[in-house]
Amino acid sequence: SAVISQKPSRDICQRGTSLTIQCQVDSQVTMMFWYRQQPGQSLTLIATANQGSEATYESGFVIDKFPISRPNLTFSTLTVSNMSPEDSSIYLCSVEEDGGLWNEQFFGPGTRLTVL
Amino acid sequence: AQSVAQPEDQVNVAEGNPLTVKCTYSVSGNPYLFWYVQYPNRGLQFLLKYITGDNLVKGSYGFEAEFNKSQTSFHLKKPSALVSDSALYFCAVRDYTGRRALTFGSGTRLQVQP
Repeated sequence: SAVISQKPSRDICQRGTSLTIQCQVDSQVTMMFWYRQQPGQSLTLIATANQGSEATYESGFVIDKFPISRPNLTFSTLTVSNMSPEDSSIYLCSVEEDGGLWNEQFFGPGTRLTVL
Repeated sequence: AQSVAQPEDQVNVAEGNPLTVKCTYSVSGNPYLFWYVQYPNRGLQFLLKYITGDNLVKGSYGFEAEFNKSQTSFHLKKPSALVSDSALYFCAVRDYTGRRALTFGSGTRLQVQP
């Protein structure tokens, strides 16, 4: 199974600033996803970030607020822009390994963001 | 639109007793179902999945899940609970369309008492 790391693991940020979260995978994967887990809540998909195409955002999430880069098959970044306290969440990246239609997704450890 | 319901916020069980964590789903077409577990301050870990075939699916750490198409359910089970099983459990679904992302339930906290 793919091993995924995220940086930073946690951060405390001021309102109005931006934070870029990095996701590194130990193998080449086409499909990568970014999720948000608000305090005490379930996971909500922010966007799908496949290498070689523009990220596809879910309803309620926009590129200006959550720009994503996917420069290669092992790396992606998610930026949380112009942060407000409502952005305080755990942000997780996940990947689906190539080579099958029904593979499970593997998740990174998450980035715990607190916005003051 | 697909959806997943986990009707119990928390399940309490004594160590050694069987446990069940409930999940029901709604999708158009055939479902593709998962269970994940989240330990404190850690990411999600994959437990098991159902694609097709046998309705009873076996997964990691002694967990299994039973797919019931008529009841649109995919309950997670374990014959004998361990204190170390205490964690947050998520059921998720993906349908047979091209959308690969998962839709998660609200999560169920399992508390196993010694």
